[in-house]
Amino acid sequence: DADVTQTPRNRITKTGKRIMLECSQTKGHDRMYWYRQDPGLGLRLIYYSFDVKDINKGEISDGYSVSRQAQAKFSLSLESAIPNQTALYFCATSDSGAVHNEQFFGPGTRLTVL
Amino acid sequence: AQKITQTQPGMFVQEKEAVTLDCTYDTSDPSYGLFWYKQPSSGEMIFLIYQGSYDQQNATEGRYSLNFQKARKSANLVISASQLGDSAMYFCAMREGSHNNDMRFGAGTRLTVKP
Repeated sequence: DADVTQTPRNRITKTGKRIMLECSQTKGHDRMYWYRQDPGLGLRLIYYSFDVKDINKGEISDGYSVSRQAQAKFSLSLESAIPNQTALYFCATSDSGAVHNEQFFGPGTRLTVL
Repeated sequence: AQKITQTQPGMFVQEKEAVTLDCTYDTSDPSYGLFWYKQPSSGEMIFLIYQGSYDQQNATEGRYSLNFQKARKSANLVISASQLGDSAMYFCAMREGSHNNDMRFGAGTRLTVKP
């Protein structure tokens, strides 16, 4: 079983719709992250959370919101989707106690906004 | 300002040969960490190797090694004895300062291994 799972894996939606992407992890990590990947731009951080009561904005948080429902769950919402939010979205986790605090990624969610 | 620069959009290498993927970075923080990730065509991101700014030796992990040149602010990934399964996108990333800071990624290099 995958340690970091994302649902859905693919989603097509229309402009103006609200959409939620979910992330769950069984790694027991305290930190969770949401990134988006666009061709030629690498990954950019949207939001991150160091524990259940902690939420921080990343480099590109406008148009997004998040919820850390439990240590193992971190969801990303697009309140009113727009076409330039079409991208590949990744959830990641890390252990603050690990030597390098490297991040482990989920399989990604491909979102298309028409 | 771009913190991480990967100047090679695409690279080709013959199977069994070694290849170097370039990464340069920009920071004024004396403490930082550098990471390399692999993204195969299936899409997942796989952590490969880490280099700390205070590490005295270049990091190695199996066939992966880092050519860390601190004065030049470069952290090139070397893959030895390339295999067909090494064909993928490779991303360099940096985290400045403490573990509480976020990571910034480069744009990536697409490596193709030829049989």
